[in-house]
Amino acid sequence: DTAVSQTPKYLVTQMGNDKSIKCEQNLGHDTMYWYKQDSKKFLKIMFSYNNKELIINETVPNRFSPKSPDKAHLNLHINSLELGDSAVYFCASSQGSWDGYTFGSGTRLTVV
Amino acid sequence: DAKTTQPTSMDCAEGRAANLPCNHSTISGNEYVYWYRQIHSQGPQYIIHGLKNNETNEMASLIITEDRKSSTLILPHATLRDTAVYYCIATLNTDKLIFGTGTRLQVFP
Repeated sequence: DTAVSQTPKYLVTQMGNDKSIKCEQNLGHDTMYWYKQDSKKFLKIMFSYNNKELIINETVPNRFSPKSPDKAHLNLHINSLELGDSAVYFCASSQGSWDGYTFGSGTRLTVV
Repeated sequence: DAKTTQPTSMDCAEGRAANLPCNHSTISGNEYVYWYRQIHSQGPQYIIHGLKNNETNEMASLIITEDRKSSTLILPHATLRDTAVYYCIATLNTDKLIFGTGTRLQVFP
């Protein structure tokens, strides 16, 4: 039973399109995150949500809009995709205290 | 978050202990030390964390020096599946883990 699941695993799309990545966690965690890992393998936080409320937005372009319909889901919608958006996007969750994060397996987005 | 410094890469023979060092000389009194790893093409995986005392779990041991300026992650019997990038993070803010470049551990047969 997957703890943090992301769909799709791979996404290839053209510049200018709008796409969404879905994330669901079945761990009962209060906090969820989106991280981006670029081609140089740097992992950077994008957003953090606690109980459906945005708590961190790391100067991500407005084209990226996270949505949390409930505390088990955190989806990422991206408008007007650009070549530079190509990366692996990881969703994660935590109990929000000092416990570790549980990451999903990632979504590899390729913009052509 | 305190800056952490790790070697870029390390090798370890299968079955031997892998000792991964991390320097965090500017760590503050309340900052925890976290270790994660990322196996190729997978999401990062939480390993262990600690504040002052040494910690051990089913995956690894964490040794933190008395002055807390450095720590060592120990994988007691490394296997080929332990080949990964290992990240050391010193932080007070668990709302936002900041990953550095990590240590690429290669376990060889």
